[in-house]
Amino acid sequence: EVVLTQSPGTLSLSPGERVTLSCRASQSVSNNYLAWYQQKLGQAPRLLIYGASNRATGIPDRFSGSGSGTDFTLTISRLEPDDFAVYYCQQYGSSPLVTFGGGTKVELK
Amino acid sequence: EMQLVQSGAEVKKPGESLKISCKGSGYIFTSFWIAWVRQMPGKGLEWMGIIYPGDSDTRYSPSFQGQVTISADKSINTAYLQWSSLKASDTAMYYCVRRGGGLVLDAFDIWGQGTMVAVSS
Repeated sequence: EVVLTQSPGTLSLSPGERVTLSCRASQSVSNNYLAWYQQKLGQAPRLLIYGASNRATGIPDRFSGSGSGTDFTLTISRLEPDDFAVYYCQQYGSSPLVTFGGGTKVELK
Repeated sequence: EMQLVQSGAEVKKPGESLKISCKGSGYIFTSFWIAWVRQMPGKGLEWMGIIYPGDSDTRYSPSFQGQVTISADKSINTAYLQWSSLKASDTAMYYCVRRGGGLVLDAFDIWGQGTMVAVSS
């Protein structure tokens, strides 16, 4: 099973700041099938990024994904008030088996 | 509009059985895998298993194998998650989600609104 470790656990930031979230896999993610999801309080998760670097439909371009193999990053270029949420990475390269990271909470400083 | 609509919140006692549902609309339900994801209170996301409604091919996470049953009725575009004997530790929010196929390289692109299951004596 591929284990995903997200860091840091929590980030305390202000609007306008640049955000970098990390997701590290215990083994190489096949085909870079790595996705990022955003979950706001009381809501279902929403797909942000798929295939490590592709933005899903309707996702603003301030969100970007990068990385390959075992190290992946989600970047928010300028944090907006609507972006305070928990972010999860997910690998689905060993489909149908899927694993999620433990999440990173981005909170208001 | 493509969507998954889940059944409502449930309050149950330990030992009781339960079946929750997830109805798809706005797309060809039988052509996409449907997964179930658990989120315990204050915790992260856990993948439970997945079903292909077209032929009911089903796979389970090792952590959930034997604990739940996933099924689907393609005639009514609905997937199910069921328990034969609930435990207090089954208390959680449960999401169904579509695996999006080639358009999103198989990421999970459409999520249901979630079904809260509370198990308490």
